[in-house]
Amino acid sequence: DTGVSQDPRHKITKRGQNVTFRCDPISEHNRLYWYRQTLGQGPEFLTYFQNEAQLEKSRLLSDRFSAERPKGSFSTLEIQRTEQGDSAMYLCASSLVSGRVHPEAFFGQGTRLTVV
Amino acid sequence: AQTVTQSQPEMSVQEAETVTLSCTYDTSESDYYLFWYKQPPSRQMILVIRQEAYKQQNATENRFSVNFQKAAKSFSLKISDSQLGDAAMYFCAYRKSGTASKLTFGTGTRLQVTL
Repeated sequence: DTGVSQDPRHKITKRGQNVTFRCDPISEHNRLYWYRQTLGQGPEFLTYFQNEAQLEKSRLLSDRFSAERPKGSFSTLEIQRTEQGDSAMYLCASSLVSGRVHPEAFFGQGTRLTVV
Repeated sequence: AQTVTQSQPEMSVQEAETVTLSCTYDTSESDYYLFWYKQPPSRQMILVIRQEAYKQQNATENRFSVNFQKAAKSFSLKISDSQLGDAAMYFCAYRKSGTASKLTFGTGTRLQVTL
């Protein structure tokens, strides 16, 4: 297993276009998280899944954002009608949670989105 | 809401020397975890060290150690014998205990290591 994989690594899009990012977690990890990181800031939580269920969404996740994790494996994050303010690094992380044992999350390298 | 503050945007250290990165946080919880993550340029974020709030003993991982002051809500990272490979962004992060899993990050400290 090579860790958390994100695709694409970079995406440049025109304002108003839709974009979709993919995250492949470490196999058998049941938790998957999305974070957004803008320049000069730390990552900010967007949403997370426990298997295929989306359990929490941040207020940062506007109606233009949608995330899915069908079958509890890979996840997609779609942004509709992109705006320049959406330009950021989108990070995915995964972990294996069992009962109250909650080890650390492993992060992917991120997808850098530039909206022009 | 929990907040994490890193007041040092940039730090510099000479190779083989020691450097301390500062972090303060605010929470009303009594049980939580604190972390330091390292983010090298164009590479993924990796965990450096973690501290459980209920443990009085400061965590150590090889050349990395923390000074955890629960009453003061302070959590600093000390890097001893600094190496060129330590150059990166360092983020302090907080997570509430239990099944809640989201991390709250600070704004980061960029560490430069010079020869």
